[in-house]
Amino acid sequence: GDSVTQTEGLVTLTEGLPVMLNCTYQTIYSNPFLFWYVQHLNESPRLLLKSFTDNKRTEHQGFHATLHKSSSSFHLQKSSAQLSDSALYYCALRNYAQGLTFGLGTRVSVFP
Amino acid sequence: AQTIHQWPVAEIKAVGSPLSLGCTIKGKSSPNLYWYWQATGGTLQQLFYSITVGQVESVVQLNLSASRPKDDQFILSTEKLLLSHSGFYLCAWSLRGANTEVFFGKGTRLTVV
Repeated sequence: GDSVTQTEGLVTLTEGLPVMLNCTYQTIYSNPFLFWYVQHLNESPRLLLKSFTDNKRTEHQGFHATLHKSSSSFHLQKSSAQLSDSALYYCALRNYAQGLTFGLGTRVSVFP
Repeated sequence: AQTIHQWPVAEIKAVGSPLSLGCTIKGKSSPNLYWYWQATGGTLQQLFYSITVGQVESVVQLNLSASRPKDDQFILSTEKLLLSHSGFYLCAWSLRGANTEVFFGKGTRLTVV
């Protein structure tokens, strides 16, 4: 079945530094649909960005990611982290009917 | 505009007691519906999904059941709660199609004591 791997459980960094969260996936489908969701404390997840196009960069709210089918990756990046970026970040693979298969999530803590 | 309403917001229940959680989606006909569970500090685990009224598929049961009695309503229930059922339950919806966003409700926080 589908699976998503996020290698970092926790990322701590100083405000203003760049951040990169890793995401790789496995699926039998040749046209995967990948999503990044963000969940702030005591809130529900909300969409951060999504991509279905190979090698095309997608951006939202200062974050960007590029789907690379050749390496089955969809890493999330931001050039300069802000305190408000502290949250849980989930990479997810979309299935037509079933919904989303989430990775384990990466907790990002940004310090002043 | 589409709205998703989950109830209750929070529950404290005793081990062995029954449970019923619900959500309603307004403003969209025939949405796909989903139940997710998140243990405290844990990841999002999908429990059930439904693409049409009356039909529910299980992904991970966890001694829970789900039903879709109406097109816009999704119910999660069990007759006997376990301590391991504690956590955050999220109802979600999407349009048909694998490229569509999944929208989450505000969730129900369940504590089993």
